Amino acid sequence: ELKVEQNPLFLSMQEGKNYTIYCNYSTTSDRLYWYRQDPGKSLESLFVLLSNGAVKQEGRLMASLDTKARLSTLHITAAVHDLSATYFCAVDIISGTSGSRLTFGEGTQLTVNP
Amino acid sequence: DAGVTQSPTHLIKTRGQQVTLRCSPKSGHDTVSWYQQALGQGPQFIFQYYEEEERQRGNFPDRFSGHQYPNYSSELNVNALLLGDSALYLCASSRTSGNYNEQFFGPGTRLTVL
Repeated sequence: ELKVEQNPLFLSMQEGKNYTIYCNYSTTSDRLYWYRQDPGKSLESLFVLLSNGAVKQEGRLMASLDTKARLSTLHITAAVHDLSATYFCAVDIISGTSGSRLTFGEGTQLTVNP
Repeated sequence: DAGVTQSPTHLIKTRGQQVTLRCSPKSGHDTVSWYQQALGQGPQFIFQYYEEEERQRGNFPDRFSGHQYPNYSSELNVNALLLGDSALYLCASSRTSGNYNEQFFGPGTRLTVL
């Protein structure tokens, strides 16, 4: 059974600081996603990582994927309050004619303090 | 181009009742997946519909059932509601054909069981 683990689960940081969220998964994956979720809202897609060594950046967020280590990271640079949210990684396994299904980590609740 | 839509937005039911949630996929998408997100947790895969049939199913009891219509819209039905069924229910649509079938999430339906 595929397991996806994130750490830390809770992260409180000051504005202007840098930090990294880690996502480990237990089996070979076809692709990995990072999502943001604000309280009471749905999931907002941030990044899709398709291959080993993939790196994507958007604003203060940068995501990378190491398929050999089964590890993805989400790096936050010079955090601002607007980044406060819960961040999820999700692993997608495509199974022949059975289509794909996402397995999510537990989420990292990020709070950026002024 | 409308994205994924879900109805209703919020729903309150009592234990033992039955509920139906609805989802319209993004234009051009033929596959609908349903996820349950309990408070403070990551979304859990319930099942996926393609060509009006259930293609994959997660670890959910038979009380959870679904349907897909010829226009690709989908319903999630939950019978004999339990308090533990209280959650945010997310619908995601995707296109099975092609090499890249990212799932796009709707706004969700918040179900409260009293």
